[in-house]
Amino acid sequence: EADIYQTPRYLVIGTGKKITLECSQTMGHDKMYWYQQDPGMELHLIHYSYGVNSTEKGDLSSESTVSRIRTEHFPLTLESARPSHTSQYLCASSELQAGGGTQYFGPGTRLLVL
Amino acid sequence: GENVEQHPSTLSVQEGDSAVIKCTYSDSASNYFPWYKQELGKRPQLIIDIRSNVGEKKDQRIAVTLNKTAKHFSLHITETQPEDSAVYFCAASINDYKLSFGAGTTVTVRA
Repeated sequence: EADIYQTPRYLVIGTGKKITLECSQTMGHDKMYWYQQDPGMELHLIHYSYGVNSTEKGDLSSESTVSRIRTEHFPLTLESARPSHTSQYLCASSELQAGGGTQYFGPGTRLLVL
Repeated sequence: GENVEQHPSTLSVQEGDSAVIKCTYSDSASNYFPWYKQELGKRPQLIIDIRSNVGEKKDQRIAVTLNKTAKHFSLHITETQPEDSAVYFCAASINDYKLSFGAGTTVTVRA
């Protein structure tokens, strides 16, 4: 079944650790996105990608980095986690469509940095 | 960039009544306006969307209206049911496919 997958779903980690949040999609979409969202609050775009080898920073400044080596895979990395990084991270994807395409979201990763 | 404002932030309605959420956007070039529903602990899911060449769209109990001149669009839910309780987000997009989201409306349907 076509879907967007995120792992881990929950992560508790200490300050200073390096973490990678995984996102993969079997939707066949070119565009992928990372959002940061505190529970029930506004979604903030932190990274997006038009396709392989394309990465762009979003509207909210983030210390994280992303890579897009394969179409279906868009991992997010934090080199040194801090308590201020505690949040939920949502991955999304959309197809290339003139005038904007529907974004489909993954289940999210809830990150707690102690 | 695009700025989307959403009102109200919370909305409590009696089951069976209607709910209306309003959003305004700043960039007149925006041409795609989706609405997402996010239930507690779940991922946001698209419930309806509208493009700038259409003034109104309806899907069963949900409808969206768009006023391009005033740069605002609204979500209407009729005959609300307990399962409509969720956080609803509006968004706007220009042709570069980035979505700018509103801050969300927490809808509670009282039985």
